Amino acid sequence: KQEVTQIPAALSVPEGENLVLNCSFTDSAIYNLQWFRQDPGKGLTSLLLIQSSQREQTSGRLNASLDKSSGRSTLYIAASQPGDSATYLCAVSPHRGSTLGRLYFGRGTQLTVWP
Amino acid sequence: EPEVTQTPSHQVTQMGQEVILRCVPISNHLYFYWYRQILGQKVEFLVSFYNNEISEKSEIFDDQFSVERPDGSNFTLKIRSTKLEDSAMYFCASSEGQGAFYEQYFGPGTRLTVT
Repeated sequence: KQEVTQIPAALSVPEGENLVLNCSFTDSAIYNLQWFRQDPGKGLTSLLLIQSSQREQTSGRLNASLDKSSGRSTLYIAASQPGDSATYLCAVSPHRGSTLGRLYFGRGTQLTVWP
Repeated sequence: EPEVTQTPSHQVTQMGQEVILRCVPISNHLYFYWYRQILGQKVEFLVSFYNNEISEKSEIFDDQFSVERPDGSNFTLKIRSTKLEDSAMYFCASSEGQGAFYEQYFGPGTRLTVT
């Protein structure tokens, strides 16, 4: 069974810092990996999708990398802002058996950026 | 930008009652999903649906749960006899396809409280 782990569980930084959020998964047979943002009591906003054949994806100040063979992904946030405060979730889509389409999520990293 | 919508945003029900959670997926999407998130825990997959039938369900999705696409736009999750442990945020998601290229788009969620 696919297990997804995110480190750290929480992170508090001053505005302007560059930061790295980590995600690891136990089974490297994946179709893709998605990073989501979740604001308190709200839904999930998709930030980036990295296909299994890709090494990284960029969107604005966000850059996500994928090392499928070692089961790791990182989300890099440049020049953090208070508006980036949220929980960041990592999810993988397995490429095995009948689990096509099902996402496995990590617990998330709760990020606080203070002014 | 097209988005997944869900109603109601919050549902309070008594134990043993039936509830129906409603979702309108993005119009050109073909794959539909339900996930849930118990407070403080991971987002968990419940079921996926394609071509008017369930394509995969998790161990959580027992006989108390059912899904339906009653018309061309709505996708519903029914819980027949709610239990206290069904209290959670329920998310609907949809995707255009399945596989490496396709990301899942999530709705804002329905918070279900069973008393």
